Amino acid sequence: QVQLVQSGAEVKKPGASVKVSCKASGYTFTSSDIHWVRQATGQGLEWMGWMNPNSGNTGYAQKFQGRVTMTRNTSIRTAYLELSSLRSEDTAMYFCARGAWFDSWGQGTLVTVSS
Amino acid sequence: QAVLAQPSSLSASPGASASLTCTLRSGINVGTYRIYWYQQKPGSPPQYLLKYKSDSDKQQGSGVPSRFSGSKDASANAGILLISGLQSEDEADYYCMIWHSSAWVFGGGTKLTVL
Repeated sequence: QVQLVQSGAEVKKPGASVKVSCKASGYTFTSSDIHWVRQATGQGLEWMGWMNPNSGNTGYAQKFQGRVTMTRNTSIRTAYLELSSLRSEDTAMYFCARGAWFDSWGQGTLVTVSS
Repeated sequence: QAVLAQPSSLSASPGASASLTCTLRSGINVGTYRIYWYQQKPGSPPQYLLKYKSDSDKQQGSGVPSRFSGSKDASANAGILLISGLQSEDEADYYCMIWHSSAWVFGGGTKLTVL
């Protein structure tokens, strides 16, 4: 079955960067886009952007342009989200999701930004 | 004004039906959009339920019971998630989503209480 397994929780200081991974299994990794969505505690879902694992093409939400980078390593079927210049408002659970309509989701990675 | 508006909460009784609305901002015509619905239970990632554009363009998520269905109310410019035969396990947050202006946009979510 399709599975997306994300890396563990991170604690970062303001101004630092964080890199979250999302390892795919159960399907052909290069056949479906990977999206990243975040959710602050008690809040709603916020789309950050997408990446095509086959071509490496990306598209980012305007809010995160210049601070976000989405990459992949096809040999290990893993997608990455890197967010830089972290601030306290970036404290959230970060999810990866598969495909055109987000039909499978990772378990989430909690990123805490605190001095 | 948010692109997608959802009531923050809704309560219904077991066995009854619940109609969750997702109202598009004025000037955005619901008829031209495919609306996606997700269910999220506490401590878990969202799960894809279904997508709906019209009766001829709709899809149920894998394993999603048929008592979850989508529709639209053109007069209200809204997408609707109908849950019939409510069960206690349906208690969750529900989010709608559309592709708008080159970005995926989520509604703020509706907390459904079954009591």
